[in-house]
Amino acid sequence: QVQLVQSGAEMKEPGASVKISCKAVGYSLATNYIHWVRQAPGQGLEWMGIITPSTGGTNYAQNFQGRVTITSDTSTSTIYMTLSSLRFDDTAIYYCARGGRPWSSQPFDIWGQGTLITVSS
Amino acid sequence: EIVLTQSPGTLSLSPGERATLSCRASQSLITNYVAWYQQKPGQAPRLLIYGASSRATGIPDRFSGSGSGTDFTLTISRLEPEDFAVYYCQQYDISPHMYTFGQGTKLEIK
Repeated sequence: QVQLVQSGAEMKEPGASVKISCKAVGYSLATNYIHWVRQAPGQGLEWMGIITPSTGGTNYAQNFQGRVTITSDTSTSTIYMTLSSLRFDDTAIYYCARGGRPWSSQPFDIWGQGTLITVSS
Repeated sequence: EIVLTQSPGTLSLSPGERATLSCRASQSLITNYVAWYQQKPGQAPRLLIYGASSRATGIPDRFSGSGSGTDFTLTISRLEPEDFAVYYCQQYDISPHMYTFGQGTKLEIK
C-alpha cells in the first residue's frame, strides 16, 4: 500500500528549530516530488516547499525562505523538513504530500497523516 | 502571485441535495491545473479532482469538476452523509513552482 508515514508530534520553544520526517512506503521515493504543506489550527492549507528526492533540488515558498530546509535520504526513503527560528504562529499540523513525477505538473495524490508542531514557552 | 477565492465560505445543505462550490482565480489559469481536495476533521486532505475535471482514483462519480480560465466549480450531484467536510481548490504548476490553495468551503448538514 502506497503511503507516507510521518514522525510524531513535537513541542518546541520559540526560537528553536524542529526537524520532522516523512517516509515513503510502497513506492520508490525517487520517482515523485514531495511537498510540505501546513495547516494552522482551524485554518486552511499553506504550501511550504518541494523537493525532488532523486536530486535533492528544492524550491521554497516565499513566506518560508530562509527558515525552512527540506532534504532527502533515498537510501531510507525518507524526507526531512527543518523549520528554524520557530514562532508561536508556527504551531500547526505539517503534512508531507506526494506530487507528480519530475517535470510534470500534478496535484498531491498521497498525503502523510500529519505531524503536529506546537510552539510554546 | 495567483490568489484563489472560494465561495461560499459555508454551504448548508441536506443529504440528497446538489452542492455547487466555486473557486475563482485572480488571473487566468490557462493550463487548467486545478485540483479539488476534501478534508474531514482530524484527517489529511484527499484528492478528488485534478486537471479541473478529472476524477482521482476511487472517487465516486457524484463528484465532478468543471471550469476554465478563472472560474472553476466542484459539483456533488447528490450529497451523501459522508460528503459533509471542508473542500479546498488548488492551483498547481511546476513552471514556475506554484501551489496555491483557496481558503476552503465548509459543507455542513442543514
